[in-house]
Amino acid sequence: NAGVTQTPKFQVLKTGQSMTLQCAQDMNHEYMSWYRQDPGMGLRLIHYSVGAGITDQGEVPNGYNVSRSTTEDFPLRLLSAAPSQTSVYFCASSYSEGLSYEQYFGPGTRLTVT
Amino acid sequence: TQLLEQSPQFLSIQEGENLTVYCNSSSVFSSLQWYRQEPGEGPVLLVTVVTGGEVKKLKRLTFQFGDARKDSSLHITAAQPGDTGLYLCAGVGRGQGAQKLVFGQGTRLTINP
Repeated sequence: NAGVTQTPKFQVLKTGQSMTLQCAQDMNHEYMSWYRQDPGMGLRLIHYSVGAGITDQGEVPNGYNVSRSTTEDFPLRLLSAAPSQTSVYFCASSYSEGLSYEQYFGPGTRLTVT
Repeated sequence: TQLLEQSPQFLSIQEGENLTVYCNSSSVFSSLQWYRQEPGEGPVLLVTVVTGGEVKKLKRLTFQFGDARKDSSLHITAAQPGDTGLYLCAGVGRGQGAQKLVFGQGTRLTINP
């Protein structure tokens, strides 16, 4: 099993450009999430999904769109990139087992917006 | 909004010393997780604590969940250079939306040989 895969690993965008960060998991997990990680701020939730066709906003959703057409894939779209979106983006999948929602993280995408 | 405050944010100590990292909140969580992250990689789960007052040990790492389920600590005994990394605590909410984890800011730990 590959676990959670993310592409690309690095990306440089100019302000105003759009792009899609890809995320796929092969563990048949029902939950998937996107986080951004900035220095000194831990991980902040952007959007999440509890299953195919169901998505909801997290803590910092502005400027990002998501969709979940299949269990495996959860792409994150930047509509019009801004320098404030320079960050490391992590996709995660999880399942519920009692009170534990262990997150399985991908390797991350380092995005720079100039 | 649920918040988790981790302290200290940075810690640099010598090999063989003991250390404790704290994770505090004013909110009650149904469970709390600790992750470790290496440079260039995603976080990896170390442990989940579920019951108030629970203590879990993972070799030289001891994790404790506060009685009121609002705080947690990570204690490392006889730290080794291999313990170097970013440690993150994450709170699991209650009821609907429980899968929306809340992360602390992280503690960057450096163990010097």
